[in-house]
Amino acid sequence: ETGVTQTPRHLVMGMTNKKSLKCEQHLGHNAMYWYKQSAKKPLELMFVYNFKEQTENNSVPSRFSPECPNSSHLFLHLHTLQPEDSALYLCASSQALTDLNTEAFFGQGTRLTVV
Amino acid sequence: GEDVEQSLFLSVREGDSSVINCTYTDSSSTYLYWYKQEPGAGLQLLTYIFSNMDMKQDQRLTVLLNKKDKHLSLRIADTQTGDSAIYFCAESPRSGGSYIPTFGRGTSLIVHP
Repeated sequence: ETGVTQTPRHLVMGMTNKKSLKCEQHLGHNAMYWYKQSAKKPLELMFVYNFKEQTENNSVPSRFSPECPNSSHLFLHLHTLQPEDSALYLCASSQALTDLNTEAFFGQGTRLTVV
Repeated sequence: GEDVEQSLFLSVREGDSSVINCTYTDSSSTYLYWYKQEPGAGLQLLTYIFSNMDMKQDQRLTVLLNKKDKHLSLRIADTQTGDSAIYFCAESPRSGGSYIPTFGRGTSLIVHP
């Protein structure tokens, strides 16, 4: 149990579907992240929120839309995805972006397959 | 090039030592990290080193840091089959007033009997 919970664990969706990934942490952290993990590629940072404010959007296509209603919850809304978007999507949290020690706590990920 | 570089695979025999290497680019990182990812799981912090240290030992793990060459290594002594996993090196470069974890591709460690 890492303290960061992601749902669902697995998701298969068609290219015309709309779905959402959910992440929840009860560690009292103020920074939350979405990363994309594809085979043989570096872990790609997608979005960062600090105290509910989005601070980073790493040139992510608009078919991915994040939402952070409070410091404990983070969503990733998906629509009209492409097959190349199939990957493991990892949520993480850390104390705050201004902390020198950014130890990140990860959820188990959502394995997304776009068909 | 990539900010954090690691080789993709390492294969060792059970009982031997494993050494996983990493190079990073940003000298502003105050801490450097090693994470472990087991199959079907997210990443978990294994150990970290403060940038003003050159070595840290924690039971079977030894981290070496060469700040001049921006080179980080993780040595696992007496490697066991349970150590088979993907190991990620990470830095936290300063960008404005923020420190954001940046990861490499991960090194798949395969331990065979």
